[in-house]
Amino acid sequence: AQSVTQLGSHVSVSEGALVLLRCNYSSSVPPYLFWYVQYPNQGLQLLLKYTTGATLVKGINGFEAEFKKSETSFHLTKPSAHMSDAAEYFCAVSAYSSASKIIFGSGTRLSIRP
Amino acid sequence: GAGVSQSPSNKVTEKGKDVELRCDPISGHTALYWYRQSLGQGLEFLIYFQGNSAPDKSGLPSDRFSAERTGGSVSTLTIQRTQQEDSAVYLCASSYDRASNYGYTFGSGTRLTVV
Repeated sequence: AQSVTQLGSHVSVSEGALVLLRCNYSSSVPPYLFWYVQYPNQGLQLLLKYTTGATLVKGINGFEAEFKKSETSFHLTKPSAHMSDAAEYFCAVSAYSSASKIIFGSGTRLSIRP
Repeated sequence: GAGVSQSPSNKVTEKGKDVELRCDPISGHTALYWYRQSLGQGLEFLIYFQGNSAPDKSGLPSDRFSAERTGGSVSTLTIQRTQQEDSAVYLCASSYDRASNYGYTFGSGTRLTVV
C-alpha cells in the first residue's frame, strides 16, 4: 500500500524567494511519484513525475523535485517564486500494478507575498 | 477530444434527489478514474476503470454511489438519494494505459452542492 504526507497545509513565501514544498511517501514497492498543481477553479495539472532513472526531475514552470529513497522524500522546489505560482500543490504516489491508482496527499496551498 | 471533459460544471440539487455526473475522457485513453475533493481536503479515490470494467471500486463511499463506462469512453457517476455530505468537487481523470507510467490528465470537475 502507498501513502503520502505533505508537511504544511499552507506555505507563504516572498516573490523571488525559494519555494520548498515537502512530501514524504510510504510504499511497499518502488514508488512512482508525482507533483500536481491546481489553480483556483481549475482541474489538476501534472507538474512533474519520477518513475525510474535520474532522481532529480525537472518539470514545468521552473519546478523540480528530487527523489531521495533513503529519506522517502520527494520535495518540490523552485529557486525563485513568482506571483503566478500561487496555487494548491499535491504530491502523489503510485506503484506499477494491475490496478494502478494514484494516491494523493492532502495538498499544500502556496501563497506568494509581493 | 483534446482534454477531459466533465459535465455539468456545477450542480445544485436537493437532498434526496439522484444526480448523474458525466466524464468524457481523452480519445484513446483506456484508463479512467473518479476522485472526490471536499473543501480543504485532498483527493479521495472513488473508482478506476480499465476499458469498461472496474478493477478497483474500493473508494466508493456507500451503495448510493455507482459508476459505469460504456464503449471504453464516456463514464457516468451516479449518486442516489444525495446527502449534504456528498457536496464536493468530483474530478475525473484519464490516462493512456497505466497511470503510474503516464500520470493523469484531469478534467475541470463538477461542483456538486446538496441543499
